[in-house]
Formats: sequence, C-alpha cells, structure tokens
Amino acid sequence: RKEVEQDPGPFNVPEGATVAFNCTYSNSASQSFFWYRQDCRKEPKLLMSVYSSGNEDGRFTAQLNRASQYISLLIRDSKLSDSATYLCVVNGNNAGNMLTFGGGTRLMVKP
Amino acid sequence: ETGVTQSPTHLIKTRGQQVTLRCSSQSGHNTVSWYQQALGQGPQFIFQYYREEENGRGNFPPRFSGLQFPNYSSELNVNALELDDSALYLCASSQGPGTLDTIYFGEGSWLTVV
Repeated sequence: RKEVEQDPGPFNVPEGATVAFNCTYSNSASQSFFWYRQDCRKEPKLLMSVYSSGNEDGRFTAQLNRASQYISLLIRDSKLSDSATYLCVVNGNNAGNMLTFGGGTRLMVKP
Repeated sequence: ETGVTQSPTHLIKTRGQQVTLRCSSQSGHNTVSWYQQALGQGPQFIFQYYREEENGRGNFPPRFSGLQFPNYSSELNVNALELDDSALYLCASSQGPGTLDTIYFGEGSWLTVV
C-alpha cells in the first residue's frame, strides 16, 4: 500500500464547477499536511497547509480527518487556470524532515 | 521565483555513466532536500542536507550520494546510471530541517538515461 494515495484522475470539469479531491495516508504519526500544485513540467508549489480545524483560502478549502487519515481539497468556481496536478503531501517520518507525496490528481477545467 | 536554482536544466546520459546535479539554495536557507520525480508520479524523497551533514535519507541505493557546501549549496551525484533513473530531480531549500519550515523548490533538472 502506498503511504499517500490519491485518485490520479483526470477530473474534467467545466468552468465554474466545484470539484473535490481526496487523499488517504497510512502513517498515523504524520503531523504536517499540505496540498501542492504542479503545472505541466514545472516544479511543485505550495497551495496550502492543512489543519485539523480545516482552512480556507479564497476558493480553496482543505480539510483533515485524523481519525480516518483522510485529507480533502475543495475548489469552488473553477477557473481555466486551476488546470494542474494537485499533490497531497504529508510528513513521512517521525523526525519530520521527509515529505511524502501522493501521485497527484490531475484537474482539467474546460471552457 | 523561489530563489532556488538548479543546473543543468536538461541532460542526457548513457546507462552506466555518472551524473552530478547542482542546487543553489535560497539566501538564508541552511537546508537542502532532494527529490526524484518519475513521469506520472509524485516526487520521492532522496535525502536532506542540513548544515553540511546528511539529515535523513529515503529509500534510494548508495549510488545516490550528495554533498552540501559551506554556502549551503548542494550536489546530487548518481553513479552507475540506470534507465529507471530517468526523472525530474528537484531540489528544495528551507530555513530549517523540519516540515514546519516552508520549503521552496527549484525548477528541477530533467535527466534522461539512454
């Protein structure tokens, strides 16, 4: 079983749609959680950290469920520019210095 | 721009050869982590250097080695290249070794092994 699992997609949605991505992780000792965005052939960029209380940044909302070891990302009012791969990331060891990435979920927003 | 620069951006090597990839960290950052990203997969942690010492290693064989210099720039060396080493190699720098420290990725080095 992979340490961080994501549905690879692609998710094809029209502009303005709401789309949700899910991610599960296996290491119950993980303390830090993130969503990264990666454009085609570019480096990953931090989209947002994920907190137990849930957090929102504009059109993006992230949720963490520690009991189920589950992380989600909700994107409202999708824009064409949201088309990218979204990577779920957790810290992968107890020393906290290794990030474990999921395989990514590809999103394509269509006009 | 993250201030993290990597070189070369693209290179092609033959199986069995050796390669050195370089990374200059952002000013003020003392920690560099290296990741390998194969096509269609997420990045995988190779190792981290903190103040010139290796500070954690992922599941990679010893032919993957690294170095960090007093100015905190870093090198990744891969010996006896295999076809499966073809990937995007990402360097990330941060102010410290913990994951609460924001990390900044460079644009990566694309390695093709033929």
